[in-house]
Amino acid sequence: GQQLNQSPQSMFIQEGEDVSMNCTSSSIFNTWLWYKQDPGEGPVLLIALYKAGELTSNGRLTAQFGITRKDSFLNISASIPSDVGIYFCAGLNYGGSQGNLIFGKGTKLSVKP
Amino acid sequence: NAGVTQTPKFQVLKTGQSMTLQCAQDMNHEYMSWYRQDPGMGLRLIHYSVGAGITDQGEVPNGYNVSRSTTEDFPLRLLSAAPSQTSVYFCASSSRQGALNGYTFGSGTRLTVV
Repeated sequence: GQQLNQSPQSMFIQEGEDVSMNCTSSSIFNTWLWYKQDPGEGPVLLIALYKAGELTSNGRLTAQFGITRKDSFLNISASIPSDVGIYFCAGLNYGGSQGNLIFGKGTKLSVKP
Repeated sequence: NAGVTQTPKFQVLKTGQSMTLQCAQDMNHEYMSWYRQDPGMGLRLIHYSVGAGITDQGEVPNGYNVSRSTTEDFPLRLLSAAPSQTSVYFCASSSRQGALNGYTFGSGTRLTVV
């Protein structure tokens, strides 16, 4: 089946640093989504991307839908402690069943000790 | 507006026991799904439904049954629990029109099978 490769698996941040993570796939998607999960909670949608090449911002978050439709990246600028959590990319193909939401394995963001 | 409500939040089962994980949404969403989350594995789709009376299998359906008799409810049944089903289970929903905006997730059920 379709798989998403998300990297890095984990990273440590210091307050004020910029953070980048990305997601690649062997197949194309019509929509890319980025979620954040806090401990003990379900994922919450951060950004949705609908067109190849699209660049979308949500506050300090910026995400892009790759031109090939097989990748996406998420940037967080000037990180703050509440950015800690697990970030998931997800690819969605509509026009068929709604079961086609495929998740990456996540990038765990932690604070540098 | 409660959104997606999952019960229970925590459950411990013995191998071979059966149980039902409940999921209810009050947003009149057509689409509902069940995912399981395991460390380092992301979220994997178990079963999904595009409307009342319609269900289908996802990526990892074995050992689980679902039904969708109403728009609001989408219970997940474990007929004979196994240790491999120890996981965190998430229910999610979306309107047909809003599916492109991703899904709304519940807060999860943490299941341990001993």
